[in-house]
Amino acid sequence: RKEVEQDPGPFNVPEGATVAFNCTYSNSASQSFFWYRQDCRKEPKLLMSVYSSGNEDGRFTAQLNRASQYISLLIRDSKLSDSATYLCVVNMNYGGSQGNLIFGKGTKLSVKP
Amino acid sequence: ETGVTQSPTHLIKTRGQQVTLRCSSQSGHNTVSWYQQALGQGPQFIFQYYREEENGRGNFPPRFSGLQFPNYSSELNVNALELDDSALYLCASSFPGQGYSPLHFGNGTRLTVT
Repeated sequence: RKEVEQDPGPFNVPEGATVAFNCTYSNSASQSFFWYRQDCRKEPKLLMSVYSSGNEDGRFTAQLNRASQYISLLIRDSKLSDSATYLCVVNMNYGGSQGNLIFGKGTKLSVKP
Repeated sequence: ETGVTQSPTHLIKTRGQQVTLRCSSQSGHNTVSWYQQALGQGPQFIFQYYREEENGRGNFPPRFSGLQFPNYSSELNVNALELDDSALYLCASSFPGQGYSPLHFGNGTRLTVT
């Protein structure tokens, strides 16, 4: 079983759609969780951290279920500029800056006019 | 605040050669991590350096080695290049003492091995 698994994608959606990404992780001792966004041939960029209580940043909502070892990202009212690959990331250490960040394979999103 | 910078941006090498990739940390950051991202995959952790010492290593062979300098910049060296080493190599710096501080990556070096 892979350490971090994501929906295989790709997701092709019209502008304005709501899209949800799902992710599961295998190590229950994981401490911190993130979503990164990666544009084609660019570096990954932090989209948002994921907190146990769930958190929202504008059109983006992240949820964490530690019991199920499940992370989600919801994008509402999708824009053309949201087209990218979304990477689910897990870290064994609190804070996300130490040691091994474990990345999923990513789910590609294409938003069409 | 200066971000993480990597050089070169692109590189083409031949199988069996050696390569050195460079990374300048974000100002004030004392920890550098290196990742390899093959096409269609997520980044994979190679190793991390803290105060010039290796501080964690992923599942990569010894021909992948690194250095960190007193100014916290870093090098990744790969010996005896193989075709499968073709990938985007990403560097990220951080300062773990700052608490919750997720990694921010440089723009990467794209290595092609022929």
